[in-house]
Amino acid sequence: DTGVSQNPRHKITKRGQNVTFRCDPISEHNRLYWYRQTLGQGPEFLTYFQNEAQLEKSRLLSDRFSAERPKGSFSTLEIQRTEQGDSAMYLCASSLSPVDRMTYEQYFGPGTRLTVT
Amino acid sequence: AQTVTQSQPEMSVQEAETVTLSCTYDTSESDYYLFWYKQPPSRQMILVIRQEAYKQQNATENRFSVNFQKAAKSFSLKISDSQLGDAAMYFCAYLTQGGSEKLVFGKGMKLTVNP
Repeated sequence: DTGVSQNPRHKITKRGQNVTFRCDPISEHNRLYWYRQTLGQGPEFLTYFQNEAQLEKSRLLSDRFSAERPKGSFSTLEIQRTEQGDSAMYLCASSLSPVDRMTYEQYFGPGTRLTVT
Repeated sequence: AQTVTQSQPEMSVQEAETVTLSCTYDTSESDYYLFWYKQPPSRQMILVIRQEAYKQQNATENRFSVNFQKAAKSFSLKISDSQLGDAAMYFCAYLTQGGSEKLVFGKGMKLTVNP
Protein backbone atom coordinates (compact mmCIF):
# COMPACT_ATOMS: atom_id res chain seq x y z
CA ASP A 1 0.00 0.00 0.00
CA THR A 2 1.58 3.26 -1.08
CA GLY A 3 -1.05 5.63 0.30
CA VAL A 4 -0.71 8.19 3.06
CA SER A 5 -0.15 6.62 6.47
CA GLN A 6 -0.54 8.13 9.92
CA ASN A 7 0.57 6.91 13.32
CA PRO A 8 -0.73 6.35 15.85
CA ARG A 9 -4.32 5.85 14.76
CA HIS A 10 -5.62 6.61 18.24
CA LYS A 11 -4.09 8.48 21.13
CA ILE A 12 -5.55 9.04 24.58
CA THR A 13 -3.66 11.45 26.77
CA LYS A 14 -4.17 13.41 29.94
CA ARG A 15 -4.53 17.15 29.89
CA GLY A 16 -1.17 18.85 30.08
CA GLN A 17 0.78 16.07 28.39
CA ASN A 18 2.62 16.45 25.09
CA VAL A 19 1.73 14.32 22.07
CA THR A 20 3.33 13.79 18.68
CA PHE A 21 1.75 12.42 15.54
CA ARG A 22 3.47 11.22 12.42
CA CYS A 23 2.41 11.35 8.78
CA ASP A 24 4.11 9.51 5.93
CA PRO A 25 2.97 10.95 2.60
CA ILE A 26 2.95 9.31 -0.80
CA SER A 27 6.64 9.21 -1.64
CA GLU A 28 6.66 11.39 -4.74
CA HIS A 29 4.41 14.08 -3.26
CA ASN A 30 6.19 17.27 -2.32
CA ARG A 31 3.22 18.93 -0.60
CA LEU A 32 1.94 17.84 2.77
CA TYR A 33 -1.08 19.25 4.59
CA TRP A 34 -2.40 18.93 8.13
CA TYR A 35 -6.10 19.36 8.87
CA ARG A 36 -8.12 19.03 12.08
CA GLN A 37 -11.62 17.59 12.16
CA THR A 38 -13.83 17.94 15.22
CA LEU A 39 -17.07 16.05 15.74
CA GLY A 40 -19.81 17.16 13.36
CA GLN A 41 -17.53 19.45 11.38
CA GLY A 42 -15.57 19.28 8.19
CA PRO A 43 -11.79 19.28 8.28
CA GLU A 44 -10.09 22.63 8.90
CA PHE A 45 -6.71 23.56 7.52
CA LEU A 46 -3.85 23.80 10.02
CA THR A 47 -0.64 24.07 8.02
CA TYR A 48 1.17 22.89 4.92
CA PHE A 49 4.66 22.12 3.69
CA GLN A 50 6.23 22.23 0.30
CA ASN A 51 9.22 19.92 0.56
CA GLU A 52 10.75 20.78 3.95
CA ALA A 53 9.50 24.36 4.08
CA GLN A 54 6.44 25.21 6.15
CA LEU A 55 4.75 27.83 4.00
CA GLU A 56 1.49 28.64 5.76
CA LYS A 57 -0.01 28.23 9.20
CA SER A 58 -3.63 28.76 10.16
CA ARG A 59 -4.62 30.95 13.09
CA LEU A 60 -6.02 27.69 14.54
CA LEU A 61 -2.43 26.60 15.08
CA SER A 62 -1.66 28.09 18.47
CA ASP A 63 1.90 28.31 19.76
CA ARG A 64 1.37 24.98 21.54
CA PHE A 65 1.35 23.34 18.11
CA SER A 66 4.45 22.74 16.05
CA ALA A 67 4.92 20.85 12.83
CA GLU A 68 8.04 19.75 11.04
CA ARG A 69 8.93 17.99 7.84
CA PRO A 70 12.64 17.26 7.95
CA LYS A 71 14.17 16.39 4.60
CA GLY A 72 10.81 16.85 2.93
CA SER A 73 9.64 13.33 3.66
CA PHE A 74 7.51 12.42 6.70
CA SER A 75 6.02 15.08 8.93
CA THR A 76 5.35 15.32 12.64
CA LEU A 77 2.75 17.39 14.44
CA GLU A 78 3.39 18.02 18.12
CA ILE A 79 0.94 19.43 20.60
CA GLN A 80 2.38 20.63 23.89
CA ARG A 81 0.41 20.96 27.11
CA THR A 82 -2.69 19.38 25.59
CA GLU A 83 -6.13 20.74 26.46
CA GLN A 84 -9.52 19.07 26.21
CA GLY A 85 -10.33 21.32 23.28
CA ASP A 86 -7.54 19.66 21.31
CA SER A 87 -9.57 16.43 21.13
CA ALA A 88 -10.16 15.86 17.42
CA MET A 89 -9.18 13.82 14.41
CA TYR A 90 -5.91 15.06 12.91
CA LEU A 91 -5.75 14.39 9.19
CA CYS A 92 -2.74 14.47 6.93
CA ALA A 93 -2.93 14.81 3.16
CA SER A 94 -0.31 14.92 0.43
CA SER A 95 -0.22 16.02 -3.17
CA LEU A 96 2.01 17.20 -5.97
CA SER A 97 2.57 20.92 -6.37
CA PRO A 98 0.34 22.56 -8.96
CA VAL A 99 1.79 22.97 -12.44
CA ASP A 100 0.51 25.68 -14.80
CA ARG A 101 -3.28 25.55 -14.33
CA MET A 102 -3.25 21.95 -13.14
CA THR A 103 -4.11 21.31 -9.50
CA TYR A 104 -3.47 17.82 -8.21
CA GLU A 105 -5.64 15.76 -5.88
CA GLN A 106 -4.92 15.71 -2.17
CA TYR A 107 -4.76 12.16 -0.86
CA PHE A 108 -5.75 11.76 2.76
CA GLY A 109 -4.45 9.47 5.45
CA PRO A 110 -6.72 7.64 7.91
CA GLY A 111 -6.14 10.23 10.61
CA THR A 112 -5.05 10.17 14.24
CA ARG A 113 -7.89 10.45 16.71
CA LEU A 114 -6.77 12.34 19.81
CA THR A 115 -8.72 12.19 23.05
CA VAL A 116 -7.61 14.46 25.87
CA THR A 117 -9.00 13.48 29.27
CA ALA B 1 -12.54 34.34 3.18
CA GLN B 2 -14.11 31.51 1.30
CA THR B 3 -16.97 29.58 2.92
CA VAL B 4 -18.73 26.37 2.02
CA THR B 5 -22.24 25.57 3.22
CA GLN B 6 -23.94 22.20 3.29
CA SER B 7 -27.38 22.87 4.72
CA GLN B 8 -28.63 19.27 4.92
CA PRO B 9 -26.92 17.38 7.76
CA GLU B 10 -28.46 14.01 6.84
CA MET B 11 -30.22 12.34 3.94
CA SER B 12 -31.36 8.84 3.13
CA VAL B 13 -31.99 7.08 -0.15
CA GLN B 14 -33.27 3.70 -1.21
CA GLU B 15 -30.82 1.39 -2.91
CA ALA B 16 -30.85 1.83 -6.72
CA GLU B 17 -32.49 5.25 -6.50
CA THR B 18 -31.02 8.70 -7.14
CA VAL B 19 -30.12 11.29 -4.54
CA THR B 20 -28.85 14.86 -4.82
CA LEU B 21 -26.62 16.49 -2.21
CA SER B 22 -26.53 20.27 -2.16
CA CYS B 23 -23.66 22.68 -1.54
CA THR B 24 -23.25 26.43 -1.83
CA TYR B 25 -20.08 28.44 -1.51
CA ASP B 26 -18.97 32.02 -1.31
CA THR B 27 -15.87 33.44 -2.95
CA SER B 28 -14.61 36.47 -4.78
CA GLU B 29 -11.95 34.47 -6.60
CA SER B 30 -12.17 33.56 -10.27
CA ASP B 31 -9.84 30.56 -10.42
CA TYR B 32 -10.87 27.75 -8.14
CA TYR B 33 -11.83 24.11 -7.90
CA LEU B 34 -14.74 22.43 -6.19
CA PHE B 35 -14.70 18.90 -4.87
CA TRP B 36 -16.90 16.28 -3.32
CA TYR B 37 -15.14 14.00 -0.86
CA LYS B 38 -16.54 10.84 0.70
CA GLN B 39 -15.58 9.69 4.21
CA PRO B 40 -16.89 6.19 5.02
CA PRO B 41 -17.16 5.26 8.70
CA SER B 42 -13.69 4.80 10.22
CA ARG B 43 -12.05 5.06 6.82
CA GLN B 44 -10.09 7.74 5.10
CA MET B 45 -11.46 10.51 2.99
CA ILE B 46 -11.47 9.86 -0.74
CA LEU B 47 -12.15 12.13 -3.69
CA VAL B 48 -15.43 11.49 -5.48
CA ILE B 49 -15.42 14.18 -8.15
CA ARG B 50 -13.87 17.54 -8.97
CA GLN B 51 -14.93 20.56 -11.02
CA GLU B 52 -12.73 23.34 -12.37
CA ALA B 53 -14.50 26.69 -12.16
CA TYR B 54 -13.42 27.75 -15.64
CA LYS B 55 -15.08 24.71 -17.21
CA GLN B 56 -18.71 25.12 -18.12
CA GLN B 57 -19.28 21.41 -18.61
CA ASN B 58 -20.44 19.57 -15.50
CA ALA B 59 -18.08 16.83 -14.32
CA THR B 60 -19.20 13.20 -14.28
CA GLU B 61 -17.57 10.08 -12.85
CA ASN B 62 -19.57 6.93 -13.49
CA ARG B 63 -22.64 7.13 -11.23
CA PHE B 64 -21.61 10.52 -9.82
CA SER B 65 -22.28 13.84 -11.52
CA VAL B 66 -22.38 17.46 -10.48
CA ASN B 67 -24.58 20.42 -11.27
CA PHE B 68 -22.26 23.42 -11.18
CA GLN B 69 -24.02 26.77 -11.25
CA LYS B 70 -21.21 29.32 -11.11
CA ALA B 71 -23.33 32.46 -10.97
CA ALA B 72 -25.45 31.02 -8.17
CA LYS B 73 -22.34 29.59 -6.45
CA SER B 74 -24.01 26.23 -6.21
CA PHE B 75 -22.39 22.81 -6.58
CA SER B 76 -24.63 19.80 -6.08
CA LEU B 77 -23.73 16.12 -6.34
CA LYS B 78 -26.06 13.59 -7.90
CA ILE B 79 -25.59 9.92 -7.10
CA SER B 80 -27.44 7.63 -9.47
CA ASP B 81 -28.28 3.96 -8.84
CA SER B 82 -27.31 4.32 -5.16
CA GLN B 83 -25.43 1.40 -3.65
CA LEU B 84 -25.00 0.30 -0.04
CA GLY B 85 -21.33 1.22 -0.31
CA ASP B 86 -22.26 4.84 -0.99
CA ALA B 87 -23.25 5.26 2.66
CA ALA B 88 -20.82 7.76 4.16
CA MET B 89 -20.24 11.36 5.16
CA TYR B 90 -19.99 13.57 2.09
CA PHE B 91 -18.04 16.80 2.19
CA CYS B 92 -18.13 19.60 -0.31
CA ALA B 93 -14.83 21.44 -0.55
CA TYR B 94 -13.39 24.54 -2.23
CA LEU B 95 -9.84 25.25 -3.32
CA THR B 96 -8.36 28.51 -4.61
CA GLN B 97 -5.83 27.90 -7.37
CA GLY B 98 -2.33 29.09 -6.62
CA GLY B 99 -0.66 29.59 -3.26
CA SER B 100 -1.30 26.99 -0.60
CA GLU B 101 -4.22 25.38 -2.39
CA LYS B 102 -5.66 24.42 0.99
CA LEU B 103 -9.11 22.88 1.01
CA VAL B 104 -12.03 24.65 2.68
CA PHE B 105 -14.69 22.13 3.67
CA GLY B 106 -18.36 22.28 4.48
CA LYS B 107 -19.71 20.62 7.60
CA GLY B 108 -20.60 17.46 5.74
CA MET B 109 -23.73 15.44 5.15
CA LYS B 110 -24.42 11.90 6.33
CA LEU B 111 -25.91 9.72 3.59
CA THR B 112 -27.73 6.54 4.55
CA VAL B 113 -28.58 3.98 1.88
CA ASN B 114 -31.52 1.73 2.73
CA PRO B 115 -31.67 -1.77 1.22
